[in-house]
Order: sequence, then C-alpha cells, then structure tokens
Amino acid sequence: AQSVSQHNHHVILSEAASLELGCNYSYGGTVNLFWYVQYPGQHLQLLLKYFSGDPLVKGIKGFEAEFIKSKFSFNLRKPSVQWSDTAEYFCAVSRTNRKLIWGLGTSLAVNP
Amino acid sequence: DGGITQSPKYLFRKEGQNVTLSCEQNLNHDAMYWYRQDPGQGLRLIYYSQIVNDFQKGDIAEGYSVSREKKESFPLTVTSAQKNPTAFYLCASSTHLDTQYFGPGTRLTVL
Repeated sequence: AQSVSQHNHHVILSEAASLELGCNYSYGGTVNLFWYVQYPGQHLQLLLKYFSGDPLVKGIKGFEAEFIKSKFSFNLRKPSVQWSDTAEYFCAVSRTNRKLIWGLGTSLAVNP
Repeated sequence: DGGITQSPKYLFRKEGQNVTLSCEQNLNHDAMYWYRQDPGQGLRLIYYSQIVNDFQKGDIAEGYSVSREKKESFPLTVTSAQKNPTAFYLCASSTHLDTQYFGPGTRLTVL
C-alpha cells in the first residue's frame, strides 16, 4: 500500500538544538512533497514544498528539507530551534490525482 | 481577505442526530477536501471534490456525506451512521498544483 512514514512521533529538544525530522514515502515515479506545520491553536499551514528542481528546498522560519530520490526521503531540518517551533509537523506526498497522502505527524516540543 | 472559513468552531451533537459542517473558500480553487484529524492518526481523507457537482470518497467516507453545488462551498454532513464522530474536522482547498490550504477546523463533540 502507498504510505508516508514519519519516523519520530514525539521529539523534545532544548532551544538552539538542531532538528531533523524524517519522512519516507513508498511510491515510485514523480511525486510532489510537502511539509505542513500546525502550531497550537492555529491553522495547518504550509512550511515548504518540493515539485521539481533543486532538491534542497527552503521554507518559512528557517526550515529546509532535502529530497533524496534514491532514498525516497524528504527530511525536514532546522539548524537551531526556538521555543516558538513547538508544533506538530506533517509530511505529505501527492501524485497526479491531487490526493495528498499524509504521515501520522511528529509532535515537537522545544524547551526554553 | 482571501482564505477558507469553517463554521462553527465548536459543535456539539446528540447521538442519533445529523449535523452539517460548513466550509467556504474565496481562493477560486477548483478542488476542495474534508479531513478528519484524531490524535496520533494524522489526517484522514473523508471526501474530496475536484470540480463543481462532482466528488469522490476518500479513505473513511462511511457515515459522511457531502455536496458541491457551488465552487466556493463544500459542506460536510456527519450522519448518525458515523460510529465515532467526535473529532477535529479540517477543510482544505487547492489549485491544480496540489498545494492545499486549510481552514481553522471544526471540533465536533458527540454528547
């Protein structure tokens, strides 16, 4: 079955620590890749996306993600997290039928 | 101001009642979606519509119904057949480029 796996369900970091959240998908062929973030009490919003081109994608708030086709991965990174990065992070993948397949999410808590 | 609105923010329903959740968008997007979000289960697709007057079942459509009579509107009805309706419901819309934009959600509680 087609799926998206997020390896870390809960992550706890201290401020200024580096962050890497894993995301792997199980499709071959062309895919579009997304990271969404849901801050406490706020809308789910787009963090960054990859459609084509440079596999290193930069998003909002200092986040970036790298698409590695050979590993079917799209890991999210941030060199130095802040308390305000506390949120739930979702990886999603789409193909040509516009449906997004979602990972289960990673809950990030950043301690001040 | 462009965006997606969902109403109400909180909704309480008695067992056996149908209830309709509203979703409106003024982004001129063709596609609209309904998701259910439960803790630890990510987002699960209930129904989606790629064009007016057409919609398809998602992964968990049982106990739900939708309509798409207007481009801007995609209401979701949670029927009494839905066995576990208490959840957070999210509506989204997208262009042909697949980036989905989300509304603020409706939290439904069955009493």
